[in-house]
Formats: sequence, structure tokens, C-alpha cells
Amino acid sequence: NAGVTQTPKFQVLKTGQSMTLQCAQDMNHEYMSWYRQDPGMGLRLIHYSVGAGITDQGEVPNGYNVSRSTTEDFPLRLLSAAPSQTSVYFCASSTPGSSAVANTGELFFGEGSRLTVL
Amino acid sequence: GDSVTQMEGPVTLSEEAFLTINCTYTATGYPSLFWYVQYPGEGLQLLLKATKADDKGSNKGFEATYRKETTSFHLEKGSVQVSDSAVYFCALRSGGGADGLTFGKGTHLIIQP
Repeated sequence: NAGVTQTPKFQVLKTGQSMTLQCAQDMNHEYMSWYRQDPGMGLRLIHYSVGAGITDQGEVPNGYNVSRSTTEDFPLRLLSAAPSQTSVYFCASSTPGSSAVANTGELFFGEGSRLTVL
Repeated sequence: GDSVTQMEGPVTLSEEAFLTINCTYTATGYPSLFWYVQYPGEGLQLLLKATKADDKGSNKGFEATYRKETTSFHLEKGSVQVSDSAVYFCALRSGGGADGLTFGKGTHLIIQP
């Protein structure tokens, strides 16, 4: 059972280069999301998706694009990398949870992708 | 908007000491509350959760009680081990239809033998 798989684990880019961080889950989860983790900042939500064909912005979306063509995959694209995007990126997925009022489902995280932009 | 405040640390304790990591939150509606743990070089793992007021989540000797009156979800363990050294994140999830969790900044816990 693979869970949430992220690739690559490490990447070094030059300013202005583009790249895609891949994320795949095999749990048939409807929700998927991308976070970045920076020292002293905790985790901040970049983009999320509530199902195939549906995406929305989180707290820090600028400089990132996403798409959700299948339930399993949720790639994160950096079109023109900047040093401020140096971070550790986590993909996560979840089910909606059991409550009709509160979204109670836990998030399952990938192992992270460490990106350095020079 | 939603927010989570937790002590940032680092918190350094001796093995077998009692642990408390404070967490308070601000949220609309009836959020679910979570503690996640991140071991060095790894992703986040769910440690425990509580979905309604007065619920107690527990796992691996850790406990936290959902206190709506004080908007708190403090993490406790009676006797910590060196293997508990990690970063602990308090988080909430509101019933607003969005997927994301709102995280605290994390507490780095160091247990010395």
C-alpha cells in the first residue's frame, strides 16, 4: 500500500526555470492538497482540490499552478522558479470524513520534496 | 480566519519526564482538531485527533482533550522517551468545505537520555 507518493525527493533549480512536482495517491481520496513547510512558519496551504477537474487556491498560491485530471494525481507546477520558493513541499490527501457539518477526515502526507532555487 | 497557536520551543526534557505542549485555536463553526508528528527527514503522520467538544484523542501514550470552552487542545504524555523526539504540529479543520488544515508553527521536542 503506497499511500501518497511524491517525486522527486530533492531538486535544485536555477531562478527562472520551470518544473513539476508529482503527487499520486492510491487510496481513492477525493481531496488532495499541496503545502509548503518553511522554518518558523509551519505548513501553509498552496492549492487544493476537492475532486477531479476542481482546484482552488489556498493561503500562498502565487507562483504555483495545479491541475487535477484524475482522482489519483495532483501535480504542482512552478512556471518560473524564484529563490523565495526554496522550501519543502508536501502533498496530502484525504476523504471528506463522516460528519456532514465538519470536515473531519485526517490528511495523509507524502514524504516531501525538498526544492532549492538558486 | 482560522488560526492555531502553539508553543514553538525547542522543548528539551529528560527521559521519563511529563510532557505538555500547549495548543489554542480560533475557528468558526465546529472544527476537528489534530496533532501531527514529524520525525527527522520524514513527512507528517497523524498522532491523534478529536472531532467534537470533550472528545479525548489518544495514541502511543499521548493524549489531548478537545476543550471548547477554552478553545484548547493541549498534548500530554506521562513519560517521554528518546524516540519521541520530533516536531509536533497542532492543526484544525473547519467545516467550510475547503480541504485544508490550518497548522500551528510546530513544536520541536528534544528528549535527552
